[in-house]
Amino acid sequence: GNSVTQMEGPVTLSEEAFLTINCTYTATGYPSLFWYVQYPGEGLQLLLKATKADDKGSNKGFEATYRKETTSFHLEKGSVQVSDSAVYFCALVPGGGGYQKVTFGTGTKLQVIP
Amino acid sequence: EPEVTQTPSHQVTQMGQEVILRCVPISNHLYFYWYRQILGQKVEFLVSFYNNEISEKSEIFDDQFSVERPDGSNFTLKIRSTKLEDSAMYFCASIKGELAGINEQFFGPGTRLTVL
Repeated sequence: GNSVTQMEGPVTLSEEAFLTINCTYTATGYPSLFWYVQYPGEGLQLLLKATKADDKGSNKGFEATYRKETTSFHLEKGSVQVSDSAVYFCALVPGGGGYQKVTFGTGTKLQVIP
Repeated sequence: EPEVTQTPSHQVTQMGQEVILRCVPISNHLYFYWYRQILGQKVEFLVSFYNNEISEKSEIFDDQFSVERPDGSNFTLKIRSTKLEDSAMYFCASIKGELAGINEQFFGPGTRLTVL
């Protein structure tokens, strides 16, 4: 079946530090890959997505590149801010149709300290 | 910008009681979903719904759960007899369902269900 594995958290960084959250996936075919963010007390927001190999998704300074050869979709940001403190979920939707369920990773909590 | 809405934001109930969680998906969307997130754990798929019937459900979605689209706008999740372990955040999601391209799932803000 499909699965997503994320690095365990929590991750604690100082403001302006470089962020990497690792994500690898298992899926047949060519899934679409997503990062969702959940701020404290709020719902899930789509942060970025990539739909095919070598695509780079980007938003709000965050980036992730779809690497089929390593089945990875690592999230990066060059300089984090306190406002980036949240839980980040890597997720996939199987290929072959965009209306299938989302499979989520366990989430990685990021805490940015001033 | 259109969004998925959910009510109530927080529901407290006694074990064994029935609860109905309500969602209003985005108006031109065709596929609807419920997910849940037990505190501190991953978001898990419960059920998907299309054309007035369930298209897929997970092992979690047993006979105690049901979904309904009673009118053209609401999408509800009913838990017939709540258990303590049903305490979780429940998310509704919808997608447009276009044939081509990737359909982003739009999530609601969630309903936090607390079973006492």
